[in-house]
Amino acid sequence: EAQVTQNPRYLITVTGKKLTVTCSQNMNHEYMSWYRQDPGLGLRQIYYSMNVEVTDKGDVPEGYKVSRKEKRNFPLILESPSPNQTSLYFCASSTRAGLTDTQYFGPGTRLTVL
Amino acid sequence: GQSLEQPSEVTAVEGAIVQINCTYQTSGFYGLSWYQQHDGGAPTFLSYNALDGLEETGRFSSFLSRSDSYGYLLLQELQMKDSASYFCAVRNFNKFYFGSGTKLNVKP
Repeated sequence: EAQVTQNPRYLITVTGKKLTVTCSQNMNHEYMSWYRQDPGLGLRQIYYSMNVEVTDKGDVPEGYKVSRKEKRNFPLILESPSPNQTSLYFCASSTRAGLTDTQYFGPGTRLTVL
Repeated sequence: GQSLEQPSEVTAVEGAIVQINCTYQTSGFYGLSWYQQHDGGAPTFLSYNALDGLEETGRFSSFLSRSDSYGYLLLQELQMKDSASYFCAVRNFNKFYFGSGTKLNVKP
């Protein structure tokens, strides 16, 4: 089954404790992206990757890091989480941006930073 | 900056037709897409327009006017399962910008 998976689905942590949210897709997609969703603000793009070893900032990259060492995986790293990073996070993938703009989203990770 | 405007909430009855509008202001434009999100779920792709005009996919249609920086999603023969939030999204080169979403309430 074609899918995007994220782990963990729920996470409660404390300020300053480094964490990683994993994202994996099995559709051989080139383009992958991370979004955060906050009430009333829709989805905001954090980082995206056009392909292996090619990443770039989205609209709200501060406080986040990403890497793309393999085509299927695109982890999101919060090196020193703060309470304002409490949010619902989605990973998404698509064939090369420019073809259909169809993004396939993972199930989401609900993060709480205390 | 980039901004997308869509109504926060729309209510319609089962079987009716509803239109959700989206106006955008972006420094560049490569396409407008629409996503549906049920409560507690992930966004799912509905439709995409890169050129002016209407795209139809079953009960859903999407329209784009690039000169007016405007698009809409049209949902026909509304069903209870269409109750969800709907987001428009603009692609500017390789980046995506989403509207804040329209909550559609379908009543029997």
